[in-house]
Formats: sequence, structure tokens, C-alpha cells
Amino acid sequence: NAGVTQTPKFQVLKTGQSMTLQCAQDMNHEYMSWYRQDPGMGLRLIHYSVGAGITDQGEVPNGYNVSRSTTEDFPLRLLSAAPSQTSVYFCASSLRGGFYGYTFGSGTRLTVV
Amino acid sequence: AQTVTQSQPEMSVQEAETVTLSCTYDTSESNYYLFWYKQPPSRQMILVIRQEAYKQQNATENRFSVNFQKAAKSFSLKISDSQLGDTAMYFCAFWSHSNTGKLIFGQGTTLQVKP
Repeated sequence: NAGVTQTPKFQVLKTGQSMTLQCAQDMNHEYMSWYRQDPGMGLRLIHYSVGAGITDQGEVPNGYNVSRSTTEDFPLRLLSAAPSQTSVYFCASSLRGGFYGYTFGSGTRLTVV
Repeated sequence: AQTVTQSQPEMSVQEAETVTLSCTYDTSESNYYLFWYKQPPSRQMILVIRQEAYKQQNATENRFSVNFQKAAKSFSLKISDSQLGDTAMYFCAFWSHSNTGKLIFGQGTTLQVKP
């Protein structure tokens, strides 16, 4: 039981490049979310999904795209990387709602130069 | 919209002593859930403790306990007998059924346990 797996763990991008952060969970969780963590700002919600085929925007969605074609996978796409997207990104999942808390991946540290 | 506020950016405590981290939140709902997460230097987010708003009894998990004051919208974390391994950033978080899919975090408090 691997839990929530994020890849890659580290990434350096040039401004304007695009990339996809991968997230997969093997717990059959319906809810999945992407957060970014910046110093002094806690974790801010980018996009979330309450099931396959259903996604919605969080607090800071601009510059990011998501899709949820399967229950297991929830990739996050950076369309055209900007230095402001330098951050640590976390994927999280929950069984049927957040009332038991979310399980988090180990994070991706992204640097945009 | 719900908000979560942690007003202590940094705290320190001596090993074996007790420390309390503060968290306040704002909501108009009566049924919700509150959490404390720990993030050690490894970066992994670890769920420490969970409180259901409709339960008046404060949650406890070994050395970790909460003081949940629903009317005051306050949710503090008490760590007893602090250990060096408790050094981490701690986040308070809020979830409700009406905000399905959204776990809302505070800004975090960095706790250093000194030997």
C-alpha cells in the first residue's frame, strides 16, 4: 500500500516551459487535491476533485490545469511556467470526504528560473 | 468563506516541557472538522489529531491534546513532554461538508524543541 505517490520530487524549469506533476493513489480515495506551499502562507488549494471526471478550482488556480480521468490519478499541469510558480507542491487524497483528514504525498519542490 | 488563522509564526520550547499552539477560525457552520498536521524537515505532512465540532470532548492522542472552544472559534494544540522529534511546522486545518473537497489551512507555526 503505497498511499499517495508524487513524481518528480524535485524539478527545475525554465520560464515558459510546461510540465506535468504526477499524483497517484492506491487507496481508492474519491477526493484528491493539489496544494502549493509557500513560506508564511501555509498550504493553498490549487485544484481539487471529488471523483473521476469532476474537478474544480481552488484558491490559486491560475496557470494550472488538472483532469481526473481515473480514480487513481490526478495530474497537475503547468501550462507556461513562471518564477511565481516556484513552490513546493503537495497532492492529497481522502476516502469520501475530509472528515477523517487527507493523506498527503511527499511533495514536489519546483524551481522556475 | 472559511478562514483559518495561526498567529504564532515561530515558537520554541525546552525538551520535556509543555507548549500550546494557537489556531482560530471563522465559519458560520455548526458542523465541521478541525485538524492539526505536523510537517517535519522531511516535508511529509502527518495528521496529528482530529476534532469533530459536534463533540464537546477535546480530542487527545498520546502527548497531543486540543482545547476546542466552539463559541470562541478557537482550536489550540497542546504538546506535553516535548521531544526533539516534535520539532516541525504545525498546521491547523478546517473542513466542512458544505465546502466539500476543500481542506483549508492556516499559515503554520514553526516549533523548535530545544535540548
